[in-house]
Amino acid sequence: EADIYQTPRYLVIGTGKKITLECSQTMGHDKMYWYQQDPGMELHLIHYSYGVNSTEKGDLSSESTVSRIRTEHFPLTLESARPSHTSQYLCASTTGTDNSPLHFGNGTRLTVT
Amino acid sequence: GDSVTQMEGPVTLSEEAFLTINCTYTATGYPSLFWYVQYPGEGLQLLLKATKADDKGSNKGFEATYRKETTSFHLEKGSVQVSDSAVYFCALRTKYNNNDMRFGAGTRLTVKP
Repeated sequence: EADIYQTPRYLVIGTGKKITLECSQTMGHDKMYWYQQDPGMELHLIHYSYGVNSTEKGDLSSESTVSRIRTEHFPLTLESARPSHTSQYLCASTTGTDNSPLHFGNGTRLTVT
Repeated sequence: GDSVTQMEGPVTLSEEAFLTINCTYTATGYPSLFWYVQYPGEGLQLLLKATKADDKGSNKGFEATYRKETTSFHLEKGSVQVSDSAVYFCALRTKYNNNDMRFGAGTRLTVKP
């Protein structure tokens, strides 16, 4: 049972297009995260949010931007997609306590041609 | 800073073989420790966790024990199945790092019939 939803699952677009990857959760979690996953499977944190109107850049530099206007919604936007943005993007959420796990969506696989 | 080091893959085993995936960590304070599993085409899902020293997490035949003295959290399973083929991530979370999750690089496991 998925409590965190990502759309679309797959997206193929041309260079220069603007895209938004959607992420929504129904658990009321304050903390939300975006990860980029490379073909070697390693996860790279690109953005996170600790609550409404809070957004921060992660460890990996990214040309994407995020917003957090509502607790349940954490979209990621690429203003001008490039082939180097081709990757898997995973969204996750959690409570603030240190023993709670992250809940992940099923990801968006983006291909920029 | 906090970090997780896990055994490099890929790991290939025959069905019913014994599995160990090593994980060691560096952290301030006493982290909570997690193992996540990612099946093909999906996001990560929690496999098991342990929140204090000497705790054993277990699920679906997998086990891991929180060893504070060796700062380790090795994943084990006595008899793997083809359906266990996936990528496994070790992770930690501590209040000294805003409770953000730190992941290892992931270990790909393939089980052959």
